[in-house]
Amino acid sequence: DAMVIQNPRYQVTQFGKPVTLSCSQTLNHNVMYWYQQKSSQAPKLLFHYYDKDFNNEADTPDNFQSRRPNTSFCFLDIRSPGLGDAAMYLCATSARTSGRYNEQFFGPGTRLTVL
Amino acid sequence: AQTVTQSQPEMSVQEAETVTLSCTYDTSENNYYLFWYKQPPSRQMILVIRQEAYKQQNATENRFSVNFQKAAKSFSLKISDSQLGDTAMYFCAFMSYSGNTGKLIFGQGTTLQVKP
Repeated sequence: DAMVIQNPRYQVTQFGKPVTLSCSQTLNHNVMYWYQQKSSQAPKLLFHYYDKDFNNEADTPDNFQSRRPNTSFCFLDIRSPGLGDAAMYLCATSARTSGRYNEQFFGPGTRLTVL
Repeated sequence: AQTVTQSQPEMSVQEAETVTLSCTYDTSENNYYLFWYKQPPSRQMILVIRQEAYKQQNATENRFSVNFQKAAKSFSLKISDSQLGDTAMYFCAFMSYSGNTGKLIFGQGTTLQVKP
């Protein structure tokens, strides 16, 4: 089945220690998104890629970076995690066709704990 | 700017009964999508149903249907014959046709508990 996969499902890191979260997809979608979701809140968009074009949200801290080496993979790098960065991180994909975006499909998320 | 409001933070329903979740939104655009996403306790967000604003007919997906009132900017979700597996947080979301990001604007979410 076509899907969005996130690894690891649970990640524990230390305050200030860089961490990388991974997302892969078999849907062949040209758009990939990263969201941060804190408990009982709606997801908050951090950034997205349309093909290789990176689009950062205005309020995303510089501490968060992303890489998309190919269509299938996208990474979220947190350079110096703080306690406030503990959250669920969701990856999503969608297909942009004829200039229009379509619905997003989400992965299961990675729960990040910062000690 | 677009906004989405879900005014019911929590709801509960007895198994096999029907429940309606409310959602209102604000936009000056004429062409857009509306979605309901479900996020069970396992936390994977799943698309439940979508509605394109230019379509007058309300979308349905099995036990899930919407009441889309474009003039009133209302987009409620009806779940019929509720099942225990419907227990989840439900998010209403808006997406513009004309935007250059495909960004979803989410409501605050409604936690639905289905009771046996």
